[in-house]
This record gives sequence, C-alpha cells and structure tokens, in this order.
Amino acid sequence: EAGVTQFPSHSVIEKGQTVTLRCDPISGHDNLYWYRRVMGKEIKFLLHFVKESKQDESGMPNNRFLAERTGGTYSTLKVQPAELEDSGVYFCASSQRFGGELFFGEGSRLTVL
Amino acid sequence: SQKIEQNSEALNIQEGKTATLTCNYTNYSPAYLQWYRQDPGRGPVFLLLIRENEKEKRKERLKVTFDTTLKQSLFHITASQPADSATYLCALPLDSNYQLIWGAGTKLIIKP
Repeated sequence: EAGVTQFPSHSVIEKGQTVTLRCDPISGHDNLYWYRRVMGKEIKFLLHFVKESKQDESGMPNNRFLAERTGGTYSTLKVQPAELEDSGVYFCASSQRFGGELFFGEGSRLTVL
Repeated sequence: SQKIEQNSEALNIQEGKTATLTCNYTNYSPAYLQWYRQDPGRGPVFLLLIRENEKEKRKERLKVTFDTTLKQSLFHITASQPADSATYLCALPLDSNYQLIWGAGTKLIIKP
C-alpha cells in the first residue's frame, strides 16, 4: 500500500512568487491534514479536510494560503504571494479515523528568498 | 493557552540501557496522547497512542505512561539500540476537533 506522498520535496522561490504543494493521501483515508514546521519550532496545525470539506482551517496563517481537496482525493496548498516567514517544512498527513493515528508524508521543504 | 514541553536538550544513552523521555502539558485535559518518531529529513512516524483512562501502554521495547494528575507522559525505550536514535515527538488533541498540538521533540542519541 502506498503511503502519503508529497510533491515537491523541496521548492526554492523568490518572495512574492507563488508555490503550490501537493499531497496524495493513503487511498481510503477521508481525513487529510496539513501541518507546518518552521525552523527551530514545533509542528503547527494548518487545516483538516474530511473528504472534500474543510473541517477545521483555524491554523491557516492568513489569506495568502489556500488549500483545496478536489473530489476528496489529493490536496493542494497554494501560497500566494510567498513571504520570507513562509519558509519551513509543510507536512501532509492522512488518517482513516477521526482522532486516530496520523500517517505523514515526507514533507515539502519551502525556502522563500 | 495550551502548551507542551519536551526536553529540548539531546538525550545521550548508552546502547542497551533504557531511554526515558518526558512530555509535560499544561492548561487542559486531553482525551489521549500520541508519540511519534522523526528521522532527519523525514515525516513523523506514529508509535503509540495512550488514552486518558490508560495508565500504561506497551509495544515491543516501547512503553508509554500517562499521568493525568501530573499532566505528564513518559516514553521508555528498553534495551536501546543505535537505530533508535531519532527525534521523538509527543502530540495531544486540542479539544473536540482533534487538531493535534505538538511538542518540539527530544533528540535521542544511542551510543554503541
């Protein structure tokens, strides 16, 4: 069974540009989460999808971040326009059960110059 | 606000000994607590979940305790091996939305 896959693994962009991160969860997992880890800090929640619906987006930092989950399958996280403080590792995770163990992808490292 | 504390200093343990990591939390009562392992450049990997009504949980060489009075969880690795070297993270759900909040992690180094 394939795990959670994320693309790209690393992205380097200039301030003001746009980046789109993609996550493919484990097949059959209705719950999909985005988390972010900024250098030296703890992992922080961004948002949670149940199928195609946003269950909780309270962690999204501002309206420069847009997350979508087309048809309840893969998800994208777009940052537009990117700022320096958006640099970090963006993790996607999925779970079968609400409140169960999370299966993480390897992360997408974003560097904004 | 809710806060999770893990020892930020690396923990150095001799191979074969028991490693004990601490996770302390404040200001709320989570229904459960999870432990994850993270290797450099990789995503966290789930290890164990312990519920508020469970005092202890074991999985092979791993043991987790959960003291809701002390607001503390201890994570033990017995007969530690160099392959156990990694950063260990604890995470707890924030209220009924099950949004997880995370500790910063403790780096464990097992020396041969």
